[in-house]
Amino acid sequence: DAGVIQSPRHEVTEMGQEVTLRCKPISGHDYLFWYRQTMMRGLELLIYFNNNVPIDDSGMPEDRFSAKMPNASFSTLKIQPSEPRDSAVYFCASSLVLAGGEQFFGPGTRLTVL
Amino acid sequence: GENVEQHPSTLSVQEGDSAVIKCTYSDSASNYFPWYKQELGKRPQLIIDIRSNVGEKKDQRIAVTLNKTAKHFSLHITETQPEDSAVYFCAANSVRGAQKLVFGQGTRLTINP
Repeated sequence: DAGVIQSPRHEVTEMGQEVTLRCKPISGHDYLFWYRQTMMRGLELLIYFNNNVPIDDSGMPEDRFSAKMPNASFSTLKIQPSEPRDSAVYFCASSLVLAGGEQFFGPGTRLTVL
Repeated sequence: GENVEQHPSTLSVQEGDSAVIKCTYSDSASNYFPWYKQELGKRPQLIIDIRSNVGEKKDQRIAVTLNKTAKHFSLHITETQPEDSAVYFCAANSVRGAQKLVFGQGTRLTINP
């Protein structure tokens, strides 16, 4: 398996634009997680899915953020409209179990909002 | 919910010396404690984990200890090498309420040659 795949790797956009981040989890993993990493706030869990169903979105900062998982091999995180404070590295991770085993992280998407 | 505190935030040691990073957690029901290493510009990767039914686990130069009574766990790296330079994150699983991994703020470890 190629591991967790994320695209794009880098995204530079202007404030107010829509941003869509994409993730392909490891095949067979039932859990998919979206994290945001910044220097100030560290690694924050935004949302996670179990079998394509969103389970806990309490970490999603505000209504401008939304996430979907239409099938077992694809998920998106959308920010609309984007703001400079959304600049961060966004990681997708997947795992076989919820919180008792290894989470495999993707390479991340570095988002810069100007 | 679970809260994880990690110290120190930065650590600098001479090559060959040992490094210790400490974490405390708040939820006594937590039973899984992983450590992730993140090299500059890379993704976090699991390096070692421990479950609450053991007090210590070793893997070559790295070891993790767990004190359930005091609710703290530590990462020990011996004979440090330049490639150990990275940010290290501890985590604990939250089992009450929303189940998830809660990460510490990270420790930037620098190995000086």
